Amino acid sequence: QGQLVESGGGVVQPGRSLRLSCAASGFTFSSYAMHWVRQAPGKGLEWVAVISYDGKNIYYADSVRGRFTISRDNSKNTLYLQMNSLRAEDTAVYHCARRDGAFDIWGQGTTVTVSS
Amino acid sequence: QSVLTQPPSVSAAPGQRVTISCSGSGSNIGSNFVSWYQHLPGTAPKLLIHDNNRRPSGIPDRFSGSKSATSATLGITGLQTGDEADYYCETWDSSLSAVVFGGGTKLTVL
Repeated sequence: QGQLVESGGGVVQPGRSLRLSCAASGFTFSSYAMHWVRQAPGKGLEWVAVISYDGKNIYYADSVRGRFTISRDNSKNTLYLQMNSLRAEDTAVYHCARRDGAFDIWGQGTTVTVSS
Repeated sequence: QSVLTQPPSVSAAPGQRVTISCSGSGSNIGSNFVSWYQHLPGTAPKLLIHDNNRRPSGIPDRFSGSKSATSATLGITGLQTGDEADYYCETWDSSLSAVVFGGGTKLTVL
């Protein structure tokens, strides 16, 4: 089965930072690539970043590259997203997702609102 | 604009069949598997189709997927009111080194 639970969202001012966490359970976390996907209000799903099972390969969407950092701690079964220099357009629900050929397990999401 | 193009909305009556198209290019749909998701805002998206046409366990055979060249299609038969949701196609883009989603299609069951 497997479960993913995000946390760390909230309201933050433009230019500030926030770190999201995603706790995994019910599967061997260290065997899977993990992703962050977001949905801004009234918009569609937007892929944010991916980290390989061992943390050695990382890719970002152009919209967040240089500002966001994805990481993982396989000893804690936890995925992270460090978000710096936040902008209003980063306001969204952020989901973490496991990829096994496709996104087969998703978290419910955590809401990030960037506003002054 | 999304890399993958979907119609913004489709509609059909209960019991009818509907198809949702997803158009891309050689660097994404043309060279990688396509997946489809059902999403109700505020909830976790649900995987319906992976590897172009394979259903995960628990997904009814009313849902089907196909791919031809640089386009993919999701089909839903025997429409139910519970099928009202947003539907997204997704694949890997080898040129962008990024996952790409379609813009989403809102399904209304009249």
